[in-house]
Amino acid sequence: EVQLLESGGGLVQPGGSLRLSCAVSEFTFSSYAMTWVRQAPGKGLEWVSAISTSGDRTYYADSVKGRFTISRDNFENTLYLQMNGLRGEDTALYYCARKSYHNFDIWGQGTMVTVSS
Amino acid sequence: QSALTQPASVSGSPGQSITISCSGTSSDIGYYNSVSWYQHHPGKGPKLLIYDVSNRPSGVSNRFSGSKSGNTASLTISGLQAEDEADYYCCSHANGITIYVFGTGTKVTVL
Repeated sequence: EVQLLESGGGLVQPGGSLRLSCAVSEFTFSSYAMTWVRQAPGKGLEWVSAISTSGDRTYYADSVKGRFTISRDNFENTLYLQMNGLRGEDTALYYCARKSYHNFDIWGQGTMVTVSS
Repeated sequence: QSALTQPASVSGSPGQSITISCSGTSSDIGYYNSVSWYQHHPGKGPKLLIYDVSNRPSGVSNRFSGSKSGNTASLTISGLQAEDEADYYCCSHANGITIYVFGTGTKVTVL
């Protein structure tokens, strides 16, 4: 069964950093673009970032551009999101998802990030 | 890039049909035929229901259908069932820095 498993979430102070990981299994990771989507408590889904199959092209929402960096390791079948300069409004459940053209066809269960002092 | 606009809630009785609208602009829904719909049960990852406006992935019930007219997309659920009670989100490819924009979300209640 195709699976995506996020990890790395936790409590961090404003201005701090955190690195999320998304380990995938049962599909050819290097053949798919990937994406991160988040959901703040009580709010809707928000697209965060996307990366091409080889990692040479990356895309970011305006709200995180310059603070977050998406990357991938096609040998380790893992997607990453490095988050710097964290703010209270970054508090959310972060999902990784497999990207199929302009659709997100497989999702993980999410990892919670809380930014608070 | 602002979120696409959806009604906060829609309800229906078992067996009925309901339609959820998703209103965007000429820079997203009106520009691309890349509208997708997701079903989200609390505590689980979202599930892709519809892609490219009106296509269903393998395994998704044919009770779910999608359409688009101008800057507005719609999801129709026919033969409403108790298990359809969930949050539903539309999403569109978009021009600009933020290349994907989600809808505000609609809570579906089965009466």
